[in-house]
Amino acid sequence: RKEVEQDPGPFNVPEGATVAFNCTYSNSASQSFFWYRQDCRKEPKLLMSVYSSGNEDGRFTAQLNRASQYISLLIRDSKLSDSATYLCVLRDTGRRALTFGSGTRLQVQP
Amino acid sequence: SQTIHQWPATLVQPVGSPLSLECTVEGTSNPNLYWYRQAAGRGLQLLFYSVGIGQISSEVPQNLSASRPQDRQFILSSKKLLLSDSGFYLCAGTREDLTGKLFFGSGTQLSVL
Repeated sequence: RKEVEQDPGPFNVPEGATVAFNCTYSNSASQSFFWYRQDCRKEPKLLMSVYSSGNEDGRFTAQLNRASQYISLLIRDSKLSDSATYLCVLRDTGRRALTFGSGTRLQVQP
Repeated sequence: SQTIHQWPATLVQPVGSPLSLECTVEGTSNPNLYWYRQAAGRGLQLLFYSVGIGQISSEVPQNLSASRPQDRQFILSSKKLLLSDSGFYLCAGTREDLTGKLFFGSGTQLSVL
């Protein structure tokens, strides 16, 4: 089983839609969780950290479910500029490196 | 703020040729540094990480090597490139506090022909 699994998509949604991605992880010792955004052929950029209690940043909401070992990202009122690949990222206890999921591609259409 | 300079942006190399990709860091000292590779349509695969000068950990057996001759310099090398070495290479770093938030270089698109 992969350490981090994501549905590759693409998720094709109209502008203004709400869309959600899930990401599952296999290591229960995973400690820190993040969502990164990557545009085509560009470097990933941190979108938001994911906290146990759930957190929101504008139109973006992230949640963590440790019991079921998944994190989620909800995007409300999708914009064309939200089109990108969203990477689920985690850091395991005792490991210095981050582990990246393969990403979920979102395409917001006019 | 932390910045990673990575070059070149694109590179086309013949099979069997050597490789040297360099990244340098500004705005922080003693960073942890990483080399990732991303194949087309795939996620980021960790190749190497370094916690200090001369300290290199390899995540996967491969045709590549890494070196860290200075605190803020991280180099990815190969003596003989293979077709399978093609991909998007990203240098990344974290601050000393190991929060896990990475800052990335702009990447090198390597095509081995």
